[in-house]
Amino acid sequence: GESVGLHLPTLSVQEGDNSIINCAYSNSASDYFIWYKQESGKGPQFIIDIRSNMDKRQGQRVTVLLNKTVKHLSLQIAATQPGDSAVYFCAEIYNAGGTSYGKLTFGQGTILTVHP
Amino acid sequence: GAVVSQHPSRVICKSGTSVKIECRSLDFQATTMFWYRQFPKQSLMLMATSNEGSKATYEQGVEKDKFLINHASLTLSTLTVTSAHPEDSSFYICSASRGGVGEKLFFGSGTQLSVL
Repeated sequence: GESVGLHLPTLSVQEGDNSIINCAYSNSASDYFIWYKQESGKGPQFIIDIRSNMDKRQGQRVTVLLNKTVKHLSLQIAATQPGDSAVYFCAEIYNAGGTSYGKLTFGQGTILTVHP
Repeated sequence: GAVVSQHPSRVICKSGTSVKIECRSLDFQATTMFWYRQFPKQSLMLMATSNEGSKATYEQGVEKDKFLINHASLTLSTLTVTSAHPEDSSFYICSASRGGVGEKLFFGSGTQLSVL
């Protein structure tokens, strides 16, 4: 299904805690997934990506896990900081190597609030 | 790094007027750009794919006569909201790829359109 017009879920954590943000994607044939961070009034900012032939990828303080069996994606943020407060979206691409490489289907999104 | 510039960042207009939004790739050429719309506290929805030198490809449910897209050069795509109405009020975001996905796909900073 498509991303629908639902209000975003929220996650509140304390500074220094680890955060886990979850996303259910829609197309079992999607072959590429990206996590974005969006601050208020700004465009999405790339965080980390993963191809469908992988189940885990690590970056700086972030880890993405992909479970294709249940079409689930998660973003783990280690030692969360107040500057991490934002809305986080997952996005999927079908046929990323073809002409639709830039056509992203965004997930619902999660509002992350980090308390000092 | 590559930058996508979007202008204006905010526009307020009267109902019935037309508004043009520009999306520029500042340091790379983009044969394809993408336009998204985002309502408050919701996810991004792809509106159309802008192709340099040819007609845009619109997603299902997006009125091509309402949202005119022009991609006259390799660094500029414009979205014109014609005869805007209050229900067109939204955050419009463009993206452009420097030859790939993930870190090669860049988003503009968005345009907040408010129609009175």
